[in-house]
Parts: sequence; structure tokens; C-alpha cells
Amino acid sequence: SQTIHQWPATLVQPVGSPLSLECTVEGTSNPNLYWYRQAAGRGLQLLFYSIGIDQISSEVPQNLSASRPQDRQFILSSKKLLLSDSGFYLCAWSMEARNTDTQYFGPGTRLTVL
Amino acid sequence: EDQVTQSPEALRLQEGESSSLNCSYTVSGLRGLFWYRQDPGKGPEFLFTLYSAGEEKEKERLKATLTKKESFLHITAPKPEDSATYLCAVQAEDDYKLSFGAGTTVTVRA
Repeated sequence: SQTIHQWPATLVQPVGSPLSLECTVEGTSNPNLYWYRQAAGRGLQLLFYSIGIDQISSEVPQNLSASRPQDRQFILSSKKLLLSDSGFYLCAWSMEARNTDTQYFGPGTRLTVL
Repeated sequence: EDQVTQSPEALRLQEGESSSLNCSYTVSGLRGLFWYRQDPGKGPEFLFTLYSAGEEKEKERLKATLTKKESFLHITAPKPEDSATYLCAVQAEDDYKLSFGAGTTVTVRA
């Protein structure tokens, strides 16, 4: 069976510091990978998605970036965090099946920028 | 732009009191409608995918239905462990993105 991991689980960072969140998927190959952010009381917002290594699309202009150094590894980064970057970050994966991608989510990372 | 609106925002139920959650959507060609359950501080847990109007799916006390404009999640005889936030999302044709509603937070009292 497939599993998805995220770390760290929680993170408190000062404004202006760098960020690196990691996501890995086990039990599948060549998954589609996604980064979402969830703000309190709001729906999930897609930040990035990747359909393969070196194939990453950005949905929202911001000071965040994403990389996919390996097939089942997805990294979310920032050079300088802003207060507005605080939130719950979720990684998800999917496979093309029956013309519809069901996305499965990881446990999330709670980021607080002070 | 795809839009998803969930109502009510919050729902408080007595154990055994059945109710329904609504998800209204606007999408240019529906590829799939998804329901997730999210517990506090955790990632969303997949419940159902619905593909076309008239489709229904069930899982334990939950039943999801779909029309051309909305979906309902029916909770029959809920238990306290059904307390969670329920999220609805749509995916348009030829798109990888899921557009989510803000969710309905359900609290079931014993």
C-alpha cells in the first residue's frame, strides 16, 4: 500500500528565515505530487503540482518554490519567510486512474512564522 | 474559475440525529467531485469520488450524492466519532487542481 510522509510536523520560524518542508511517497512510482496550504477557516489552496521530475507548475505567485529532486520526493522552500506564510501545509499524491485523479494527503506541517 | 461553496459552516448534532451537508459547485466540465474528512491538526482523509450526476456512494453512516450543481453528504444516525470537518472539492476536465470549499465542521454530542 502507498504511504505519504511529511516533516517536520510542526515548525516555528522567524520572519526572514529560510524554509524547507519535505514530502515523500512510498509504495508507488511516478506519482503526481501537490503542495497545498490551508489557512484557518479557509479552503485548501493549491501552491504547486508536479507530474514528473523537473516538471513543476506554480498556481499562486509568492515567495515559495518547489523542487522534485527524486521521483517520490517533493520539497517546498522559501529563501525568506513572511508572516503571511504561516499555515498548515499539506502534500498530496495521485495516480492517473479511470480518468480522474483521487488525491491522497499527508499528515501536514504546521508552520508558524513569528 | 471553479467555485465550491459548502453549507452550513458548522453543524451540531445529537447522537443518532441524521442530517445532510451541502456542496454547491460551479465548474467548466466536471471531472470528479471529492469528499474528504479532516480531523483537527491532521491531513484530509479521502472518503468518496463522484463522477456524474445521479451517482451515489456509501460508506458506513455516510452517503454521498451528486447532481449537476451540488452534492450532498448524508450522515445517518451519527456517532461522536463522526465529529470532524468535511471538505468538498471539484476537479475540472483537463486539470490537475482540486478546488476546495471551506468545509463543514460537524460536532456530534453523545
